Amino acid sequence: DAKTTQPNSMESNEEEPVHLPCNHSTISGTDYIHWYRQLPSQGPEYVIHGLTSNVNNRMASLAIAEDRKSSTLILHRATLRDAAVYYCILRIGDYKLSFGAGTTVTVRA
Amino acid sequence: SQTIHQWPATLVQPVGSPLSLECTVEGTSNPNLYWYRQAAGRGLQLLFYSVGIGQISSEVPQNLSASRPQDRQFILSSKKLLLSDSGFYLCAWSSLKGGPGELFFGEGSRLTVL
Repeated sequence: DAKTTQPNSMESNEEEPVHLPCNHSTISGTDYIHWYRQLPSQGPEYVIHGLTSNVNNRMASLAIAEDRKSSTLILHRATLRDAAVYYCILRIGDYKLSFGAGTTVTVRA
Repeated sequence: SQTIHQWPATLVQPVGSPLSLECTVEGTSNPNLYWYRQAAGRGLQLLFYSVGIGQISSEVPQNLSASRPQDRQFILSSKKLLLSDSGFYLCAWSSLKGGPGELFFGEGSRLTVL
């Protein structure tokens, strides 16, 4: 299975941007890049996904490297509610999404 | 709109007792269904996924089993629980049709085995 590598933790100040990196050097051509986030005692929440082009939605932006071996989730203005564990995962084939350990994001007021 | 529900939300069970967790999805048909487990402070481990009624794929050998008796119903079971089965169990669904297949998760079931 294609794996992803993320930093264990990141800290940010409120109202500042957060850039969360993810490496996926063994990605194949048809694997979608997904991002989810999980608040304590809740199920993960879908954030954004992409294949080749950069993507924007109301929650975040996703920047994908030209060779697709890495990507960055961008939270433009962090709020206290953005404190969570963020998972970068690959959708392998039609069915499987395997989660790694994720990045714990702390937002300081 | 689509919704997913799982129950019970919490349960405490003795070692060796049986387990049944249920998950149902509304507002969609023929979804992919998934069971994940999350141990305390850890990431999510994929346990089972299903692409249709009666079709179950197991990712990790263990004393758990899954069944899909109806299109939008997914059940996680065990005949005899182990201490290591404690954790946060999450059901999820995604569209079976082509596309990115984003996952939508239920509220989770927290199991403590004593």
